[in-house]
Amino acid sequence: GAVVSQHPSRVICKSGTSVKIECRSLDFQATTMFWYRQFPKQSLMLMATSNEGSKATYEQGVEKDKFLINHASLTLSTLTVTSAHPEDSSFYICSARYLQGTETQYFGPGTRLLVL
Amino acid sequence: GENVEQHPSTLSVQEGDSAVIKCTYSDSASNYFPWYKQELGKRPQLIIDIRSNVGEKKDQRIAVTLNKTAKHFSLHITETQPEDSAVYFCAAAGRFGNEKLTFGTGTRLTIIP
Repeated sequence: GAVVSQHPSRVICKSGTSVKIECRSLDFQATTMFWYRQFPKQSLMLMATSNEGSKATYEQGVEKDKFLINHASLTLSTLTVTSAHPEDSSFYICSARYLQGTETQYFGPGTRLLVL
Repeated sequence: GENVEQHPSTLSVQEGDSAVIKCTYSDSASNYFPWYKQELGKRPQLIIDIRSNVGEKKDQRIAVTLNKTAKHFSLHITETQPEDSAVYFCAAAGRFGNEKLTFGTGTRLTIIP
């Protein structure tokens, strides 16, 4: 149980284009999902908290118009990096809370984004 | 907001010896402390967690201790094996409704055969 998937696993795009990353909870319903960014040899930095059916809550310094988050169902959240630039190149990881009322988060396998 | 510090940043241990990683947190309202193991290019995997109502938790070779008064918690790995080599992250979170995780900076553990 508690399996989280992400798609794609790796994406290369040109500067100025938009990229969508999907995060799915495969065997459970996730009312809350989280999006993190991880630069090489660094820790995970929370970008936003995604709640099903409502607007995402962004962390300070994260541009909501650049990183669009949609959580349309209990098993799917998407992150769209709009007008991507080379500095957006990173490892993007989502996580989902396994059970309502618990803090435990399970992570997806991550998406490596390279913007040329 | 919460601030989590983690030490050491790198740790090399002979196979079979024990490894200890320490973290401190700043927010006394935090009450959930998970530890994640991350191999290169892979997802973080939860290895053990502890809540503030207990002081110690053990799962086979892995144990975590929590000192709420001092606001620090530690990961202990005994009888280390080569497959324990990875980056380990501690994290802290508040109660339900404020459960976002704040991660430590990570410890790169290398087990020397």
